[in-house]
Amino acid sequence: SAVISQKPSRDICQRGTSLTIQCQVDSQVTMMFWYRQQPGQSLTLIATANQGSEATYESGFVIDKFPISRPNLTFSTLTVSNMSPEDSSIYLCSVGGPGGLNEQFFGPGTRLTVL
Amino acid sequence: QKEVEQNSGPLSVPEGAIASLNCTYSDRVSQSFFWYRQYSGKSPELIMSIYSNGDKEDGRFTAQLNKASQYVSLLIRDSQPSDSATYLCAVARTQYGQNFVFGPGTRLSVLP
Repeated sequence: SAVISQKPSRDICQRGTSLTIQCQVDSQVTMMFWYRQQPGQSLTLIATANQGSEATYESGFVIDKFPISRPNLTFSTLTVSNMSPEDSSIYLCSVGGPGGLNEQFFGPGTRLTVL
Repeated sequence: QKEVEQNSGPLSVPEGAIASLNCTYSDRVSQSFFWYRQYSGKSPELIMSIYSNGDKEDGRFTAQLNKASQYVSLLIRDSQPSDSATYLCAVARTQYGQNFVFGPGTRLSVLP
């Protein structure tokens, strides 16, 4: 499967600021996704990052709060804007698997703490 | 009703025993089902995918799917302490798509 990296691996931010998280894949992938995992919770899909067009957001997530870019088939960014302590979570990107199977493989995650 | 449900655990089994993890889902059109293992502080790792009714075996892992009952399970044979982790059930929300809904996870503890 593809090798997925995320930057930063962790960060501590102040309330009201923004953080951009990068996701890099070592091969071209069609599908890329962004998830949030709040402390002690399971994963919640934020959005599907579409190459060349606007991301598709899930209910409860909006572009102004979580703008996403997908400039090519190997890279995506997620920005967490105007952060509050409630945004403290692990943010994970995932990519679709090869061969048409709709499996997903996850990056290592970014642990965000908002003070 | 939550879309994907799992027993939160913790589920404790002795080393060498069979661990049985269960998952139910509410959306009848779901066609794809996945089990992920997540160690503490790590990201989820895909261990099994299943698309058809019946059993699918991979090493010590067996996934079982019953679409009529909207039920999917994971059996881990000869459980090892290294299997201690949280196991997440994921269901593809649409028939062909990749929009996953994750269950809350079951924490498994394998006792030496």
